[in-house]
Amino acid sequence: DSGVTQTPKHLITATGQRVTLRCSPRSGDLSVYWYQQSLDQGLQFLIQYYNGEERAKGNILERFSAQQFPDLHSELNLSSLELGDSALYFCASSVDPSGRANEQFFGPGTRLTVL
Amino acid sequence: GQNIDQPTEMTATEGAIVQINCTYQTSGFNGLFWYQQHAGEAPTFLSYNVLDGLEEKGRFSSFLSRSKGYSYLLLKELQMKDSASYLCAVLNQAGTALIFGKGTTLSVSS
Repeated sequence: DSGVTQTPKHLITATGQRVTLRCSPRSGDLSVYWYQQSLDQGLQFLIQYYNGEERAKGNILERFSAQQFPDLHSELNLSSLELGDSALYFCASSVDPSGRANEQFFGPGTRLTVL
Repeated sequence: GQNIDQPTEMTATEGAIVQINCTYQTSGFNGLFWYQQHAGEAPTFLSYNVLDGLEEKGRFSSFLSRSKGYSYLLLKELQMKDSASYLCAVLNQAGTALIFGKGTTLSVSS
């Protein structure tokens, strides 16, 4: 158990819908990261937050947005869902983004299926 | 651009030694990580290298050559439970993004 929690574990929805994925980082970790993992693309970095502020963006679509709240939990919002958005979504946290402290602890993931 | 290359698949037998290579071309460098991921599960941290050389940790060792943009993960005394995907990831200079390779799926047979 990494100490990172994600809910829900599974999500099945239809195209065009909107969903929210939730993540609670390990106690004491200030950085939260979101990743998308699909079979053909591997683990793709989406976005990073540090202590409530967005710090970096990766390959995140405009239909996706995220935020980190004062209690440091984070939510990833996916809207206008398409079949291709079906994937495993991981949240990870670290003490700090820099160097060795960037050792990221991953949550169990949310498996999103868009029908 | 950013590019991380690893072999897609490797096979080995129990008790053997296997080396998984990773080459990278990234904008800036602030360390290289190796993660292990069993099917359907979350990645877990294995090692971190930021200076050239070998880091040993039990049955696992990781090597880095920054001038060559090259790293490898060495797994000794392979066990069936080592069957998993091994992900090489590079942290950019600013520490803002950890870029993952597509992973190497290792199958260990008896």
